[in-house]
Amino acid sequence: NAGVTQTPKFRVLKTGQSMTLLCAQDMNHEYMYWYRQDPGMGLRLIHYSVGEGTTAKGEVPDGYNVSRLKKQNFLLGLESAAPSQTSVYFCASRDRDEQYFGPGTRLTVT
Amino acid sequence: AQSVTQPDIHITVSEGASLELRCNYSYGATPYLFWYVQSPGQGLQLLLKYFSGDTLVQGIKGFEAEFKRSQSSFNLRKPSVHWSDAAEYFCAVDRGSTLGRLYFGRGTQLTVWP
Repeated sequence: NAGVTQTPKFRVLKTGQSMTLLCAQDMNHEYMYWYRQDPGMGLRLIHYSVGEGTTAKGEVPDGYNVSRLKKQNFLLGLESAAPSQTSVYFCASRDRDEQYFGPGTRLTVT
Repeated sequence: AQSVTQPDIHITVSEGASLELRCNYSYGATPYLFWYVQSPGQGLQLLLKYFSGDTLVQGIKGFEAEFKRSQSSFNLRKPSVHWSDAAEYFCAVDRGSTLGRLYFGRGTQLTVWP
């Protein structure tokens, strides 16, 4: 039982490049979330999903897209990376009353 | 307007000293309340949570938190800090919607002196 895993752990992009971050959970949770963490800002919600095939915007969705084609996977895409998207990205999934977090992806956009 | 406030950005304590980390929220109803800890380079680990009932909640690693409705606070405490407690601590609030969204405070960085 791996819990929540994230791929990759680290990535460096040039401005304008695209990439996809993968989140996978093996707990059969319906709810999944993508957050970004910036120094002094805590975690802010980017997008979330309440079930397979559904997605919704969170607090800071601009510049990101998501997809939930399979219940266990939640993908976060950056179509044209910008330096402002340099951050640590965390995925989480939720059971009835608790969120479980992945180890994070550190993304640098130069 | 920020919904969850952690007024202390950085706290330093000596090993063995007591600790209190403050958290205030600004919702009218009683939300669900959480404390998470993040060690350097790691993800977030849940320390404890409050949904209802007894206002003093026990968590892992010897931490506890007290919910005070009149003060809209959920402060985290530990009677005797260990060097391994050095980390960043986040208070989070779930406003009780079916979406389960968490709103985080900006975090408090804890340094422990030997």
